[in-house]
Amino acid sequence: RKEVEQDPGPFNVPEGATVAFNCTYSNSASQSFFWYRQDCRKEPKLLMSVYSSGNEDGRFTAQLNRASQYISLLIRDSKLSDSATYLCAVDYNKLVFGAGTILRVKS
Amino acid sequence: DAMVIQNPRYQVTQFGKPVTLSCSQTLNHNVMYWYQQKSSQAPKLLFHYYDKDFNNEADTPDNFQSRRPNTSFCFLDIRSPGLGDAAMYLCATSRVQTRPSNEQFFGPGTRLTVL
Repeated sequence: RKEVEQDPGPFNVPEGATVAFNCTYSNSASQSFFWYRQDCRKEPKLLMSVYSSGNEDGRFTAQLNRASQYISLLIRDSKLSDSATYLCAVDYNKLVFGAGTILRVKS
Repeated sequence: DAMVIQNPRYQVTQFGKPVTLSCSQTLNHNVMYWYQQKSSQAPKLLFHYYDKDFNNEADTPDNFQSRRPNTSFCFLDIRSPGLGDAAMYLCATSRVQTRPSNEQFFGPGTRLTVL
């Protein structure tokens, strides 16, 4: 089993839709979790950090489920500009990244 | 603005010809990381510096070396690039008090092509 797994997608959604991605991790001892956004051929940019049960920032909500060992990212009212790859990262004494989930928001 | 800078943004080299990629930061972070990312794959940690302490990942090939002459700069040397080393190389930094795992901030990357 991979340390961090994500559904690669792509998720194709219309503008205004709500979309959610999950990320599962294998090490129950992990304490810190992150969502990064990566545009095509660009660097990952930190979107949200999750240290306890969850975090919310505007249209974005991240939740942590320790019992089932996954984190989720919910995007409400999707915008065209939200189209990107979303990487989750889990702290294993180093950050281990998933391969990302592709989101395409269409008008 | 405080930032992480990588040079060059694009590097073309020949098979076997050594290449050096550079990273500098104005964030005054004590940890600097080098990642390799291939298309549609997760960034893969090659090594990191916690201040002056070098930490190599077990599966990083010997072909990859790094130097950190001061807090602001870090270099990635690829001694004999192979075709399989073509990738985006990302430098990242973080400020941590106790251990190297925290929010990391990435530079724009260097895209390496090996001919």
